[in-house]
Amino acid sequence: DAEITQSPRHKITETGRQVTLACHQTWNHNNMFWYRQDLGHGLRLIHYSYGVHDTNKGEVSDGYSVSRSNTEDLPLTLESAASSQTSVYFCASSPGIYTGELFFGEGSRLTVL
Amino acid sequence: TQLLEQSPQFLSIQEGENLTVYCNSSSVFSSLQWYRQEPGEGPVLLVTVVTGGEVKKLKRLTFQFGDARKDSSLHITAAQPGDTGLYLCAGAKIIGATNKLIFGTGTLLAVQP
Repeated sequence: DAEITQSPRHKITETGRQVTLACHQTWNHNNMFWYRQDLGHGLRLIHYSYGVHDTNKGEVSDGYSVSRSNTEDLPLTLESAASSQTSVYFCASSPGIYTGELFFGEGSRLTVL
Repeated sequence: TQLLEQSPQFLSIQEGENLTVYCNSSSVFSSLQWYRQEPGEGPVLLVTVVTGGEVKKLKRLTFQFGDARKDSSLHITAAQPGDTGLYLCAGAKIIGATNKLIFGTGTLLAVQP
């Protein structure tokens, strides 16, 4: 069965360290997204990609970067982790630009001490 | 930032009771989705409503899109413990060649046996 997987599921890091969260999907979807979920804020879009070598900033992109070298993967990098980036991160994919239905991974819980 | 407000934020009810969750905005959306998220997992799509006034039923769940496509409601009849979870609405706006999804703040439902 096609799926979307995230790793690691849990990570604790220190302020200032670089962290990369992996996202891999086997749906062969063109569109991939990274969200963060925080209490009281719902899901907020960090970065998104509509295809290989395409990346775009979402509403909370400061301090994060992504790259898309193939269809299956969209890693999210925190260049210098801050305590404000403690959150649960979700990767998602969708098949088409006008098909807004998202398929989510199980999430990566990041704690920055 | 366009906001989708959900109410109530938290709801704890007994098995067998009925409930309604509301999703409101001042913006018009091309479609609206409802997701359910269980602890430790990513959100899963329940339904998409597209036409103003549209009503969709999924077993004991009834979804309605407002006539003006600015709001939506989710009604659950005879709630069961398996309905427990976080319910998220998400409004879609097509802007140029992109389809932006804006998530609501979420309603956490607990159904006690």
